[in-house]
Amino acid sequence: NAGVTQTPKFRVLKTGQSMTLLCAQDMNHEYMYWYRQDPGMGLRLIHYSVGEGTTAKGEVPDGYNVSRLKKQNFLLGLESAAPSQTSVYFCASSYTGEEVDGPYGYTFGSGTRLTVV
Amino acid sequence: KNQVEQSPQSLIILEGKNCTLQCNYTVSPFSNLRWYKQDTGRGPVSLTIMTFSENTKSNGRYTATLDADTKQSSLHITASQLSDSASYICVVSAPTYSGAGSYQLTFGKGTKLSVIP
Repeated sequence: NAGVTQTPKFRVLKTGQSMTLLCAQDMNHEYMYWYRQDPGMGLRLIHYSVGEGTTAKGEVPDGYNVSRLKKQNFLLGLESAAPSQTSVYFCASSYTGEEVDGPYGYTFGSGTRLTVV
Repeated sequence: KNQVEQSPQSLIILEGKNCTLQCNYTVSPFSNLRWYKQDTGRGPVSLTIMTFSENTKSNGRYTATLDADTKQSSLHITASQLSDSASYICVVSAPTYSGAGSYQLTFGKGTKLSVIP
């Protein structure tokens, strides 16, 4: 049982390039999330999905797009990367969206470290 | 605005000593509070979760307390080990009443704990 898997783990982009971060979960969770973590700040929600085929904006959605074509996958896209998007990106999933204990609660991936130069 | 404030920002302790980390929040309404441990280069991993009716919860050498009246929580680590060196993040959950059963998580900035021999 892998939990939440993020690929790639590291990436360096040039300004203006595009890329897609992949998040896969094998826990049959309905909800999936993309967060970014910057030094001196708490995790901030970029986009989330409450089920297959749905997406919604979070706290800091500008410059990002997402897709949830399959229940187990949640993709985060950067169409034209900017240095301000240098960050560590975390994907998470949960069964109901509520913070509960056990396997139905939030599970985080190990992160993708993205540098935009 | 929902906020979660953690203190201290960083802490250095000797192996074997105890320590207490603080979390104050202004999130309302309140659903539950979770403490995460985040090792360097890894995603957050849950330590404890408490609802408003719980005052204390333990997970091995980790004991969390919650005072819902004063909106304060603490995480006490007993007999620290080198492997406790990590960031500890306090996260407060609140229902959004959006109709989708979703909850809003507010993350603290974390306390960086270093345990030295």
